[in-house]
Amino acid sequence: DTEVTQTPKHLVMGMTNKKSLKCEQHMGHRAMYWYKQKAKKPPELMFVYSYEKLSINESVPSRFSPECPNSSLLNLHLHALQPEDSALYLCASSQGNQPQHFGDGTRLSIL
Amino acid sequence: DAKTTQPPSMDCAEGRAANLPCNHSTISGNEYVYWYRQIHSQGPQYIIHGLKNNETNEMASLIITEDRKSSTLILPHATLRDTAVYYCIVREVWSGAGSYQLTFGKGTKLSVIP
Repeated sequence: DTEVTQTPKHLVMGMTNKKSLKCEQHMGHRAMYWYKQKAKKPPELMFVYSYEKLSINESVPSRFSPECPNSSLLNLHLHALQPEDSALYLCASSQGNQPQHFGDGTRLSIL
Repeated sequence: DAKTTQPPSMDCAEGRAANLPCNHSTISGNEYVYWYRQIHSQGPQYIIHGLKNNETNEMASLIITEDRKSSTLILPHATLRDTAVYYCIVREVWSGAGSYQLTFGKGTKLSVIP
């Protein structure tokens, strides 16, 4: 069982739609992360939040907009995505020096 | 870029030990070796990490060479459920900041065969 919960598990959207991915953890972790994983490739870091503030943006296009409303919740807002944005989006959290815990991801398909 | 090199794939017979190698020849003294695995359709799962000494937990053992330029993850009795992609990651020792980065390489796809 994963302690990082991501919803929805699957999402299909058109290129003009607006949708959001949600990530939740109740382990008291103060760092939260978004990763993108294309098929048969390793995860790639997108954003890092530390104490609810964005600390790293790995040159991600502005059609991806992260939000951290509180220490337990991380959102990824999606708008005007392209077919090449189809991927598995993973959320992770960590506290201090402890290992990052990952959710099982949202599999996103752009039509 | 990832700082590690792993074989793309390996097979292991069920019940035997699986030994997964990793080269990290440019590792510095303030970097850990971390191992994660990713079972199909799941998120990465933490396995073990070490700095200089060998480490063991309920999942696996980690053997780090004395010069720290390579390591081996050992699953002592592989089962079919251990079939996964195994990632070896080099990570900086924590500086006290609130977060840290993990850079995944291509990993090794381990297939456990009945």
